[in-house]
Amino acid sequence: DTEVTQTPKHLVMGMTNKKSLKCEQHMGHRAMYWYKQKAKKPPELMFVYSYEKLSINESVPSRFSPECPNSSLLNLHLHALQPEDSALYLCASSPDYSLNEQFFGPGTRLTVL
Amino acid sequence: GENVEQHPSTLSVQEGDSAVIKCTYSDSASNYFPWYKQELGKRPQLIIDIRSNVGEKKDQRIAVTLNKTAKHFSLHITETQPEDSAVYFCAARLNTGFQKLVFGTGTRLLVSP
Repeated sequence: DTEVTQTPKHLVMGMTNKKSLKCEQHMGHRAMYWYKQKAKKPPELMFVYSYEKLSINESVPSRFSPECPNSSLLNLHLHALQPEDSALYLCASSPDYSLNEQFFGPGTRLTVL
Repeated sequence: GENVEQHPSTLSVQEGDSAVIKCTYSDSASNYFPWYKQELGKRPQLIIDIRSNVGEKKDQRIAVTLNKTAKHFSLHITETQPEDSAVYFCAARLNTGFQKLVFGTGTRLLVSP
């Protein structure tokens, strides 16, 4: 298995909803990431899980909370989102802790109404 | 600071021509520079990368060059084909503070038959 998988593919939610995005990789990679990508913009890093700990980009609001149940799963919990949070959310993984060679999943297209 | 500038923002070429995309980074401690190709509605795909101990790397029609002194790196695509049409992102690994990949703003490449 040489892929990073993400579910769901699409998600529409209201500002009062709570939802979760899921990411899985079975490549034995040691680091996983969540990125946010707005239309016609580059991906922006939100969270990194490596060395068995989560690192957070300080600019990410607390309405996004990551969870890492095990080394192959990385979830992103969403609560009280705003319309401006609508974007493509990409998960990625890399073989080691150097953060090099990141491979992306197909993404979840999120729309917040 | 953390900044990667990428030029041009759009590039149109005829099939068979060469295409060159240039990036400049600001963090002198950066030592890893990947290039990603993103087709419309798809995930970013790693197409080539270079580390700071190497000046050039080639993979078939794609090559990347790195000038550490000038903090420049470039992607060269030869014998372009219509399927090369996509958005290309350069990136540099930020090694000071919160380690992460910082992406350039992207280049939309259009290869006309």
